[in-house]
Amino acid sequence: SQTIHQWPATLVQPVGSPLSLECTVEGTSNPNLYWYRQAAGRGLQLLFYSVGIGQISSEVPQNLSASRPQDRQFILSSKKLLLSDSGFYLCAWSVAGPAGQSGANVLTFGAGSRLTVL
Amino acid sequence: QQPVQSPQAVILREGEDAVINCSSSKALYSVHWYRQKHGEAPVFLMILLKGGEQKGHEKISASFNEKKQQSSLYLTASQLSYSGTYFCGSGSNYKLTFGKGTLLTVNP
Repeated sequence: SQTIHQWPATLVQPVGSPLSLECTVEGTSNPNLYWYRQAAGRGLQLLFYSVGIGQISSEVPQNLSASRPQDRQFILSSKKLLLSDSGFYLCAWSVAGPAGQSGANVLTFGAGSRLTVL
Repeated sequence: QQPVQSPQAVILREGEDAVINCSSSKALYSVHWYRQKHGEAPVFLMILLKGGEQKGHEKISASFNEKKQQSSLYLTASQLSYSGTYFCGSGSNYKLTFGKGTLLTVNP
């Protein structure tokens, strides 16, 4: 069966410090990978998605970046955190492929990483 | 384009019914429904791929009106465990764009 791991679960970082959140998926090959952010009491905002190694699509311009160094590894980074970067970061995966006009595939989310920037 | 959900919040007593609506100004090719418990990750409920399709999950069901670009989630005889935030998502190729969510609270 497939599992998704995301860490760290919580972290508190000062403004201007770097960030690295990691996500790995087991039990599948070539998954689509996603990073979403959820600000307190808000909806799910798509930040990045990747359909293959080294392929990253950015949805929202900001001081965050994503990388996919291996097939089942997805990393979210920042060189200098802002207060507005605080939130609940969720990694998700879906079966490979775009599913055409039928829409995206079903997402399975990791447990999330709660980031507080002070 | 982000789907629009209504209502933003609803409070029920156990056993009551609720409807959550999701609409889009762009064509909806598929609609996903997820539920998120407080402090947890969202969990997939169901996906509707065809206009007019209806699906059910326990006492939770959904419909999809492709022409009206709308979907509705129906919760019947609500249970305490139904409490959480419900999100609809609009699928397009590789991406799933979520609405802002509907907070459902079921009280005893």
